[in-house]
Amino acid sequence: AQKITQTQPGMFVQEKEAVTLDCTYDTSDPSYGLFWYKQPSSGEMIFLIYQGSYDQQNATEGRYSLNFQKARKSANLVISASQLGDSAMYFCAMREGGTGGFKTIFGAGTRLFVKA
Amino acid sequence: GAVVSQHPSWVICKSGTSVKIECRSLDFQATTMFWYRQFPKQSLMLMATSNEGSKATYEQGVEKDKFLINHASLTLSTLTVTSAHPEDSSFYICSARAGSSSYEQYFGPGTRLTVT
Repeated sequence: AQKITQTQPGMFVQEKEAVTLDCTYDTSDPSYGLFWYKQPSSGEMIFLIYQGSYDQQNATEGRYSLNFQKARKSANLVISASQLGDSAMYFCAMREGGTGGFKTIFGAGTRLFVKA
Repeated sequence: GAVVSQHPSWVICKSGTSVKIECRSLDFQATTMFWYRQFPKQSLMLMATSNEGSKATYEQGVEKDKFLINHASLTLSTLTVTSAHPEDSSFYICSARAGSSSYEQYFGPGTRLTVT
């Protein structure tokens, strides 16, 4: 069963505008973590932001924020003031607690194109 | 942030030969390392999890006799693709974590394997 779902294969955004990348997840483990990674064409995985399942507040890291809606099991990434360098592949990922073996699994990814 | 290196960054080998990929944590001790493979335009698929000094745990569908993983020290894990075939051509990425309670997981730059 798909545990991480990213329904947007590709997204376009105008430079300097905000964009939301969707991510839903499925787990029965009460302890889990949610991540977003950026993968540019070079292939490296760049950690962007983390949200723990028990965190009360939405995570923020600079221009990145995670819209965590626990009841809906969604963890959307919001990028504010998009830059041309933001064009890349973005992956949502989840790590479950003990029942999941502390493994991190990834969604299919969303390719973001930032237009000048 | 912590640094994970991989060597080689790319390799071309002939069908039937074996290839070893090294993954090193440069400035921290990695109790757990993960190996992923990524086909073009696809997501990262977890292959196996290895803990230092113990046998790797392979994901369902991954042939443990074909993909040999050794995690002999807290800073080094190796993946050996035995009797490589063209369908093994892929981008292999390792990842390391300092401890099960640490949410931070650091990724190597990846190794592109091409089997001719």
